[in-house]
Amino acid sequence: AQSVTQLDSQVPVFEEAPVELRCNYSSSVSVYLFWYVQYPNQGLQLLLKYLSGSTLVKGINGFEAEFNKSQTSFHLRKPSVHISDTAEYFCAVSGVGTPLVFGKGTRLSVIA
Amino acid sequence: DTAVSQTPKYLVTQMGNDKSIKCEQNLGHDTMYWYKQDSKKFLKIMFSYNNKELIINETVPNRFSPKSPDKAHLNLHINSLELGDSAVYFCASTLGGGAPGQYFGPGTRLTVT
Repeated sequence: AQSVTQLDSQVPVFEEAPVELRCNYSSSVSVYLFWYVQYPNQGLQLLLKYLSGSTLVKGINGFEAEFNKSQTSFHLRKPSVHISDTAEYFCAVSGVGTPLVFGKGTRLSVIA
Repeated sequence: DTAVSQTPKYLVTQMGNDKSIKCEQNLGHDTMYWYKQDSKKFLKIMFSYNNKELIINETVPNRFSPKSPDKAHLNLHINSLELGDSAVYFCASTLGGGAPGQYFGPGTRLTVT
């Protein structure tokens, strides 16, 4: 079975500061890893995904994530956040032909 | 063009009623899903269909019945609605054959009073 742990339920950060949102996963098979963002009262938008190859993945809106197999982690980072980045962020894992298993989400609040 | 669409966006109804949520995707995908997001924002798979056939049915009450008339549509019918059914329901789709990643619809916020 697969599972995802997002270690922080809320992360407040000042505007233009860097941020890291942590994600650890558990799986007995090869995995695909994803970060989704959900803005207030909206659906889910894919930020980035790791399928194979380079462990550093770049996504939209200046976000990037690094796949670390030995630590079973896929942390999301951004060097300088904006007010508009305030949202809920979900880490998810899937295998071949399986649905997404989501973490409980991290609420990023950017403070002016 | 909207990739995955859901109707309605908001649904307010009373306990005991029966309601349906529709989902359509125009991406040519052959696998579609329903997820439920509860009040704590937790997202969980409910059903998965591949080419109109049910392939995943998580521990969901049998009051919930998905129907897929064709591979572009996956509707969710809910009988005898209960307060605990209040949530946001998301439809998603993906290309089958193990293709990873899914495209999500905008969600349907269901409120049962």
